[in-house]
Amino acid sequence: QKEVEQNSGPLSVPEGAIASLNCTYSDRGSQSFFWYRQYSGKSPELIMFIYSNGDKEDGRFTAQLNKASQYVSLLIRDSQPSDSATYLCAVNSLTRGGSEKLVFGKGTKLTVNP
Amino acid sequence: DGGITQSPKYLFRKEGQNVTLSCEQNLNHDAMYWYRQDPGQGLRLIYYSQIVNDFQKGDIAEGYSVSREKKESFPLTVTSAQKNPTAFYLCATGTSVNTGELFFGEGSRLTVL
Repeated sequence: QKEVEQNSGPLSVPEGAIASLNCTYSDRGSQSFFWYRQYSGKSPELIMFIYSNGDKEDGRFTAQLNKASQYVSLLIRDSQPSDSATYLCAVNSLTRGGSEKLVFGKGTKLTVNP
Repeated sequence: DGGITQSPKYLFRKEGQNVTLSCEQNLNHDAMYWYRQDPGQGLRLIYYSQIVNDFQKGDIAEGYSVSREKKESFPLTVTSAQKNPTAFYLCATGTSVNTGELFFGEGSRLTVL
């Protein structure tokens, strides 16, 4: 069973700080990695994706990928109370039939305190 | 307005009754998915479809059924065979079945009494 592991948290940071969210995955063949944000009671929305080793920046968000360590992270700079949500890590894994399937972690709950 | 519409948003049913959740999209996406989310849990895949009249079981298909008669529509039936149906159900679409870039509907929260 291919797995995606996240620290469930809650992770609590003060406003303006850097929030660091981490994710490990078991399928060494995975090539695509995604971060979804889910506000309480709402549906997930895609905020970042990364396909290559290294860093990818988009505004206050930076995704980091290390395929050798099977590790992907999301950094949120200058955290705002509006960033308070659950962040889901998702990884594309190959099925036996050859298609790709998205496997989600259980999510890390982030709280940004004013 | 482009998007994914799920209905109903909230649904209460008695044990033993079948329930059908609607999912309609006008994004012209080929792939459609149904996920289930329980409190404190990630998303678990129930069924997915990449073309009309074709669909595949996900990780937890037992007790559920789907159809894909039109590209725009992918309804999910929660049957009485599903042992623990109370959950938040999410429909999603993607440009292809191999993409991880999914767009989600607002979800349907089913409570079985």
